[in-house]
Amino acid sequence: NAGVTQTPKFQVLKTGQSMTLQCAQDMNHEYMSWYRQDPGMGLRLIHYSVGAGITDQGEVPNGYNVSRSTTEDFPLRLLSAAPSQTSVYFCASRKNTEAFFGQGTRLTVV
Amino acid sequence: GNSVTQMEGPVTLSEEAFLTINCTYTATGYPSLFWYVQYPGEGLQLLLKATKADDKGSNKGFEATYRKETTSFHLEKGSVQVSDSAVYFCALSVGPETGNQFYFGTGTSLTVIP
Repeated sequence: NAGVTQTPKFQVLKTGQSMTLQCAQDMNHEYMSWYRQDPGMGLRLIHYSVGAGITDQGEVPNGYNVSRSTTEDFPLRLLSAAPSQTSVYFCASRKNTEAFFGQGTRLTVV
Repeated sequence: GNSVTQMEGPVTLSEEAFLTINCTYTATGYPSLFWYVQYPGEGLQLLLKATKADDKGSNKGFEATYRKETTSFHLEKGSVQVSDSAVYFCALSVGPETGNQFYFGTGTSLTVIP
């Protein structure tokens, strides 16, 4: 049981490039979400999904797309990276009141 | 709306000192409250939780009591260790009408020195 797995752990992008951050969970949780963590701002919700085929926006969705074709996977797409998207990204799944987090992806946009 | 305000850091303590990290919240409805801990280079891990007023969550010597009258959930530990050095996040979760979203505080960095 691996829990929540995020790849890659580190990534450097040039402004305007696109990429997908991968997130997979093996706990059969319906609810998954993406957060970004910035100094002094805690974690902010980007997008979330309450089940396969259902996604919704969180607090800071601009510049990010998501889809949820299976219960296990919830990728986060940056279509045109900007320096303001430099951050640490966390994927989480939850069951009832408890959330389980991946180890994070540290993204730098130059 | 929903929000969490927690004590600014960083906090530096000597080993065996008493720890308090303050957390207050604003919420619509009846939230569940959490403390998460983040060790260097890792994701967040649940430390403790409380789901209703007057509940006390506890784990690894840490405690927090859900105080509805003061809208608070302060984290305490009687004697900290070097291994407790980490960033601590207070969070709340509200009901399914908001997708059971979490709202996090800004985090408090704790360093414990021998």
